[in-house]
Amino acid sequence: GAVVSQHPSWVICKSGTSVKIECRSLDFQATTMFWYRQFPKQSLMLMATSNEGSKATYEQGVEKDKFLINHASLTLSTLTVTSAHPEDSSFYICSARDPPGREGMAYEQYFGPGTRLTVT
Amino acid sequence: EDQVTQSPEALRLQEGESSSLNCSYTVSGLRGLFWYRQDPGKGPEFLFTLYSAGEEKEKERLKATLTKKESFLHITAPKPEDSATYLCAVQAVAGSYQLTFGKGTKLSVIP
Repeated sequence: GAVVSQHPSWVICKSGTSVKIECRSLDFQATTMFWYRQFPKQSLMLMATSNEGSKATYEQGVEKDKFLINHASLTLSTLTVTSAHPEDSSFYICSARDPPGREGMAYEQYFGPGTRLTVT
Repeated sequence: EDQVTQSPEALRLQEGESSSLNCSYTVSGLRGLFWYRQDPGKGPEFLFTLYSAGEEKEKERLKATLTKKESFLHITAPKPEDSATYLCAVQAVAGSYQLTFGKGTKLSVIP
């Protein structure tokens, strides 16, 4: 159990265009999802916390107007990179929080396979 | 501010050569400490959650332990397929269950 998928797995886009990345929890309902960015040989940096039915909470230094997050259902969150530029090229990873109360699995985050974004 | 420091940054082992990875942390109140494995170009794979000092968990050749200041990931008789980056993360009592990650230890197991 606790499977998270992402789509697409990789995308190449031109500078100035927008790109949408989907994150789905396949076998559990996730009231909270998280979006991370990882640069080469660096660790994961939290970008924002996405709660179903409410606005996302962004980490300091992350532009909320550039990285639009929508969490419309308990199994789907989307990240849209608007007006992408080469410096936005990175590995974007989402995770979903397993809700507390599930025996032996409280509070863990399960990660998707990631999306490699290249902006040319 | 929560901080996680992992050492060493990289570790090369011969197949069968046991060793330990270290994760030192500072957090206002620890909800849990997590170990993940990450292969190149993939998302982190969950390994363990530790909740309190003195707790230990095992999975195949891996054993994770926790004290009030650090955690160790012991690897016994590693195999080449254990090669990966191992990430440590903490979750504080305060907040919305965010994880603060260390930079990871890149493990290479040589046949």
